[in-house]
This record gives sequence, C-alpha cells and structure tokens, in this order.
Amino acid sequence: DTGVSQNPRHKITKRGQNVTFRCDPISEHNRLYWYRQTLGQGPEFLTYFQNEAQLEKSRLLSDRFSAERPKGSFSTLEIQRTEQGDSAMYLCASSPRQGGYTFGSGTRLTVV
Amino acid sequence: QKEVEQNSGPLSVPEGAIASLNCTYSDRGSQSFFWYRQYSGKSPELIMFIYSNGDKEDGRFTAQLNKASQYVSLLIRDSQPSDSATYLCAVRGNTDKLIFGTGTRLQVFP
Repeated sequence: DTGVSQNPRHKITKRGQNVTFRCDPISEHNRLYWYRQTLGQGPEFLTYFQNEAQLEKSRLLSDRFSAERPKGSFSTLEIQRTEQGDSAMYLCASSPRQGGYTFGSGTRLTVV
Repeated sequence: QKEVEQNSGPLSVPEGAIASLNCTYSDRGSQSFFWYRQYSGKSPELIMFIYSNGDKEDGRFTAQLNKASQYVSLLIRDSQPSDSATYLCAVRGNTDKLIFGTGTRLQVFP
C-alpha cells in the first residue's frame, strides 16, 4: 500500500456540469476525510467517514456536494451543477484511530 | 476570531538558523495538535503531532504546546533551503476532524 490515492489529478469542467472524484485510503485506516483548499488558505473541512458511516458534514457545504464511502473502502465526492467558486484543490486524507492524517495528492478542479 | 490562527509570513531565516513558527487556537477543549509542511502545488505532509503540554522533539523539529495559553509552536533547528515551504498548524477537538490554520510561509535563504 503506497498511501492515499486520488483520481483524477486534474479536472477541467464547464460550469453546470457534474463531477465526481475518487479517493482510495490507506487500507488499514478506517477514517476518511475530504477537504478543500484554495490558494493561500489552509485546508477547509468538508466531511468525514468512519468506515462507511458519514459522521460529520460541514455546514458550509451546499447540497450540491455529496460524498459516499460504500463498504468502508474507497470514497467518492460528487459536485453537482458546478460553479466557478468550486474551483479548488480537493484533498482526501485517511487516518487510523489516533494520529495525524495522511493526505493524497489531491484533485485540482477548474470550473470554466 | 478564527479557530486556528497563524501569521501568514513570509518568515525569512538564514540557512543554519532556528525557525520559530507559532499558532494559537480558540477551542480550549482541543486535544491534539499537528504540524504539516506543504510545498507549493503539493499536498500537506505530517511533520509531527503533540498531545501533552511541553516539548516534543523529532530530529531537527521540536513542537511546543502550552494549553493554558492555547499556543503551539514549531521550532526547526539548522534550517535548510529545502525547509522552505508553508507550515500548517492543525487542531483536533472532540471530533475526529482537524481544523487548519492558513499556514505560515517559511523562506530559508543560503
């Protein structure tokens, strides 16, 4: 296992289109997190899972965003009807019960 | 007031010097504290974490925690140009999520 894997690395989409990102966590980590980061800012929490259960979702997250983690393995983050303000780096991370997160390389989304 | 505050920098230090990075947090219930390094265009990498008051050392890095003052710091000894990056402070409260600061940009010049 080489770490947290995210696909695609880059995504360019037209405003109004739907996009889906995938994250494969480190296999022994049962916690999985999604963050969003824009230039000059720290990562902003979106949502997290413990196994297949989505335990928390940011109240800043509009209902255009949805995340799933079927069977407690990989996770997907979908953004419907994308807007230019959705352009950002989307980061996935996983962790064991204690300790810090391990981040994936991220998916850079550009909405044109 | 932001939950986790950091000076955005840049903090410029000469090669071989000690770089001191600071972070304050607002939630007194915070339980664990993390430092991440982020190179431009890359994702954050965990440097170290600390749970208890006092110092924790790992190689050239020392994390310092003062819960009474709600203050965390990271010292980098013998700074190298390769240490030039943005350093993110993150805090975990009662839930599993980490709250990040905006990061401090460190520049180490030869």
